[in-house]
Amino acid sequence: AQSVTQLDSHVSVSEGTPVLLRCNYSSSYSPSLFWYVQHPNKGLQLLLKYTSAATLVKGINGFEAEFKKSETSFHLTKPSAHMSDAAEYFCVVREYGGSQGNLIFGKGTKLSVKP
Amino acid sequence: ETGVTQTPRHLVMGMTNKKSLKCEQHLGHNAMYWYKQSAKKPLELMFVYNFKEQTENNSVPSRFSPECPNSSHLFLHLHTLQPEDSALYLCASSQSPGELFFGEGSRLTVL
Repeated sequence: AQSVTQLDSHVSVSEGTPVLLRCNYSSSYSPSLFWYVQHPNKGLQLLLKYTSAATLVKGINGFEAEFKKSETSFHLTKPSAHMSDAAEYFCVVREYGGSQGNLIFGKGTKLSVKP
Repeated sequence: ETGVTQTPRHLVMGMTNKKSLKCEQHLGHNAMYWYKQSAKKPLELMFVYNFKEQTENNSVPSRFSPECPNSSHLFLHLHTLQPEDSALYLCASSQSPGELFFGEGSRLTVL
C-alpha cells in the first residue's frame, strides 16, 4: 500500500533563506511523485513531478526536489525564499500503473515567509 | 486563470436544501475529478470521470450526486447534507495521470 508523510505541518523561514519541505513516501512499486502548492483561497497547482527519469527534478518558481529511493524521500527545496512562496504545499504519490484517481495526498505543510 | 472554473465560489445551504456545484474545464482534458478538502485532513478523492463515464466513486454518500454531461463539464448535486459536509470542494481535470489542474474551489457551508 502506498502512503505519504509530510514531516512538518508548518515551516517558517525568513525571506532570502533556503526552504526545505520534507516528504517521505511508502510504495510497493515504482512511484510517481508530485509536489503541489495551494495559495490562500486558490486551488492546487502542480509545482513539479518525478516519473522515473532524472532524480533531481526542477519545477516552477525556482523549486526543485530530489528523489532518493534509499531514503524513500522526495524533499522540496528552494535556495532563497520569496514572500510570494507563502502557501501550503502538498506531496503526492501515485503508484506505477495505478488508476487515474489513485493519488495519495499528504496532509500538507504550511510555509510562512517572514520579511 | 487555471483553465478550470468552478461556480459558485461560496455556498451556504441548510440541511434540507438542494444545490449544485458546477465545474467547467477549457483544457481539452479527458478526465475530471471532485475532491473534498477539509481542515487538517488530506485531500479526499470523491469521484473520477473519464470521457464522461464515472470510473471511480470513493465510497461517497448518496447525498452527493455527480453528473458529467460531457468532457468539459462536471456537476456535483447536493441534497440533505450534514454540517460535517462543510468543506472546500475542488474540481480538477487531467490528461496525464497525476498531473491535475484544479479550479479555485467552492467553499460550502452547511447550517
